[in-house]
Amino acid sequence: QQQVKQSPQSLIVQKGGISIINCAYENTAFDYFPWYQQFPGKGPALLIAIRPDVSEKKEGRFTISFNKSAKQFSLHIMDSQPGDSATYFCAAPDGGSQGNLIFGKGTKLSVKP
Amino acid sequence: KAGVTQTPRYLIKTRGQQVTLSCSPISGHRSVSWYQQTPGQGLQFLFEYFSETQRNKGNFPGRFSGRQFSNSRSEMNVSTLELGDSALYLCASSRRTGTLNTEAFFGQGTRLTVV
Repeated sequence: QQQVKQSPQSLIVQKGGISIINCAYENTAFDYFPWYQQFPGKGPALLIAIRPDVSEKKEGRFTISFNKSAKQFSLHIMDSQPGDSATYFCAAPDGGSQGNLIFGKGTKLSVKP
Repeated sequence: KAGVTQTPRYLIKTRGQQVTLSCSPISGHRSVSWYQQTPGQGLQFLFEYFSETQRNKGNFPGRFSGRQFSNSRSEMNVSTLELGDSALYLCASSRRTGTLNTEAFFGQGTRLTVV
């Protein structure tokens, strides 16, 4: 069974700083790696995703970097804002034929004003 | 476009009872997946339904079951509830047809408390 290891478990960043969250996966038959953002009392919302025909994808202040050989990918949040305070989950398809998403355990980000 | 709708939002049940949760996916989405979210274990995959058939199943006991109807709406059932079943149960829908991953959209979840 695919495991996705996410770190750190929690992260405190000053407003305007860079938040970096890392994930590592084991095996996957499919190249699709999304990040989800979850606020308290809400379901996870898709933030950004990468299909690694590229090594990096940027959307606004959010960037995914992907290293296929190392089986690692990371989320960078530039100019972090207090409104970014949430729990972030990375996910990777499992190694089976259906490619269901397996999630990391989450990173609780707090951005201090 | 309406999002994924889960009902009820909150539920309190007693040990030994059973419970049924409902999920209405985004219109046009035929895949529905269920996840259990707890503080210690994060998001754990329960099962996925596509065209009324269970396509994949996670490592949960047989007390957890589900089904999907012809309109893609899905239900999950937990029988003989245990205290450890207390969790946020999330449903995610996606367009994906074959094995191609597409974006999965989550509902707000059903918060189940077993007392």
